[in-house]
Amino acid sequence: QKEVEQDPGPLSVPEGAIVSLNCTYSNSAFQYFMWYRQYSRKGPELLMYTYSSGNKEDGRFTAQVDKSSKYISLFIRDSQPSDSATYLCAMSAAAGNKLTFGGGTRVLVKP
Amino acid sequence: DAGVTQSPTHLIKTRGQQVTLRCSPKSGHDTVSWYQQALGQGPQFIFQYYEEEERQRGNFPDRFSGHQFPNYSSELNVNALLLGDSALYLCASSLGMPDTQYFGPGTRLTVL
Repeated sequence: QKEVEQDPGPLSVPEGAIVSLNCTYSNSAFQYFMWYRQYSRKGPELLMYTYSSGNKEDGRFTAQVDKSSKYISLFIRDSQPSDSATYLCAMSAAAGNKLTFGGGTRVLVKP
Repeated sequence: DAGVTQSPTHLIKTRGQQVTLRCSPKSGHDTVSWYQQALGQGPQFIFQYYEEEERQRGNFPDRFSGHQFPNYSSELNVNALLLGDSALYLCASSLGMPDTQYFGPGTRLTVL
């Protein structure tokens, strides 16, 4: 079983809807949690970075971490067609440590 | 401010050959990590370099080796290429704490 599980999708939503993404993990040592966006044939782009449990908001993006449930989420409000991409969750046990990624969820926002 | 750059963009090799991929980190960053991303999957950690030393290594065979230069740029070398080595190879750079890694555009390697 993989350390980080992520539904591959695709997740199709109409423009303006809320996109809800999540990952579950098994390694309780993970403390740093990230969400990356990756467009086709491009490198991942860092969207959100969270340390330990709690919520973090940045513009249309909200990241949530529940360490007790080993579950993290990303919400995208007022979704736009330009949000169509693959979203990757990543986590690490310590600052400077390797990142362990989920498999990515493909999101399609339809105009 | 230039981000992470990688070269070449694309590369086609045949089985058994050797390949070298290059990465220049984001300005001011001193740590370089390499990841392999197979089609439809998330990136997998290969290794990380800091102060010209390999600091961490993932579950990759010794065919995968690397180097970091005094200017913090890095190379990834893969020997005896296999068909399964076909992937997007990503370089990420970072500096100190907190650890936020910034990725380059990747090098797409195809092994025939």
